[in-house]
Amino acid sequence: EDQVTQSPEALRLQEGESSSLNCSYTVSGLRGLFWYRQDPGKGPEFLFTLYSAGEEKEKERLKATLTKKESFLHITAPKPEDSATYLCAVQGIMDTGRRALTFGSGTRLQVQP
Amino acid sequence: DVKVTQSSRYLVKRTGEKVFLECVQDMDHENMFWYRQDPGLGLRLIYFSYDVKMKEKGDIPEGYSVSREKKERFSLILESASTNQTSMYLCASSLGLFNEKLFFGSGTQLSVL
Repeated sequence: EDQVTQSPEALRLQEGESSSLNCSYTVSGLRGLFWYRQDPGKGPEFLFTLYSAGEEKEKERLKATLTKKESFLHITAPKPEDSATYLCAVQGIMDTGRRALTFGSGTRLQVQP
Repeated sequence: DVKVTQSSRYLVKRTGEKVFLECVQDMDHENMFWYRQDPGLGLRLIYFSYDVKMKEKGDIPEGYSVSREKKERFSLILESASTNQTSMYLCASSLGLFNEKLFFGSGTQLSVL
């Protein structure tokens, strides 16, 4: 059974204070690891897909990295508008028939001005 | 712009009522999903469909059923609502077998009293 654990549950940063969110996963053959952003009252919005260890993706102040056991979402010099819940999800090779992702419970990020 | 629309933002129902949650996507996507989101538990898959009139159980299908009569519409049915079905319900769609990107609706917050 695929499992995804995210830490910390909540993180409060000052504007400009860089940090990282962690996503640890267990999957029988990784097809892809996904990061989503969810604003209050809205559905999750896609950020990145990572496929293999060593891969990195960047978007504005966000950079996602992947190892064989975990992924990090690095936030550089965050701004208040980066405040959101960040969700990590995996799809295992055995899941492709299911076509569904297994999600973690998310990290709630608050960036204070 | 791509869109997944859920019919209601908030719903309040009584125990034992039959509840219909509707979801429509305008992207001609093959795959559609219903997740529920609860604090600390993340998103959990209820049902999914990869074609018209096709449906597959997810991780927590008990107490739910679904209908997909047209490609763009996927309905979640609570046959007899119970208080433990109070939750945020999220509909999503994606294209293809290896759904690279899920598109989510804004969610329906259901309260069962």
